[in-house]
Amino acid sequence: DTAVSQTPKYLVTQMGNDKSIKCEQNLGHDTMYWYKQDSKKFLKIMFSYNNKELIINETVPNRFSPKSPDKAHLNLHINSLELGDSAVYFCASSQVRGGEQYFGPGTRLTVT
Amino acid sequence: AQKVTQAQTEISVVEKEDVTLDCVYETRDTTYYLFWYKQPPSGELVFLIRRNSFDEQNEISGRYSWNFQKSTSSFNFTITASQVVDSAVYFCALSEETGANNLFFGTGTRLTVIP
Repeated sequence: DTAVSQTPKYLVTQMGNDKSIKCEQNLGHDTMYWYKQDSKKFLKIMFSYNNKELIINETVPNRFSPKSPDKAHLNLHINSLELGDSAVYFCASSQVRGGEQYFGPGTRLTVT
Repeated sequence: AQKVTQAQTEISVVEKEDVTLDCVYETRDTTYYLFWYKQPPSGELVFLIRRNSFDEQNEISGRYSWNFQKSTSSFNFTITASQVVDSAVYFCALSEETGANNLFFGTGTRLTVIP
């Protein structure tokens, strides 16, 4: 069984569209995250979320919003997509504070 | 300021050579956690190791070993007898006790092992 899964794996869309990426973890972890990896491979946190608290990286545009229907899911919604949003987006989860984070396979988003 | 620095952008070695990947971190927390992740060409991020700030013992796992030195704020990673399958981008990361518990990643070191 895949521990952290994301769908879709590839997403190609046009500027101005709204899209979502889904993430599910079956590890029973309490905290989930979204990271963005740019074309230079730099990984940066976008959000961290547990059932009590959402922490947003202040540099993330408000066009991005995480939505968590339950503890095992953390979806990423992106409105009004821009060219600069093209990147690989990784979902991750961890059990405890400071614990290792397990990553999903990534979603490669291409905005044309 | 960059919390994690990986000064080596790219390294190439010939198979069976040993290679060390450097990682220097910066934090004001007394409790923190250090990690290494591997990103092979297929793109996934694979967890390799986690150390907490109170455990400076070096660790060995097969051909992999890690050297954690608080005095120099370094957490270096050595691959012994490298293999082609070790070719990947390796990321060092830091998580602080205070804050959001997210990982601060270094910029990665691309390792190429030449057969």
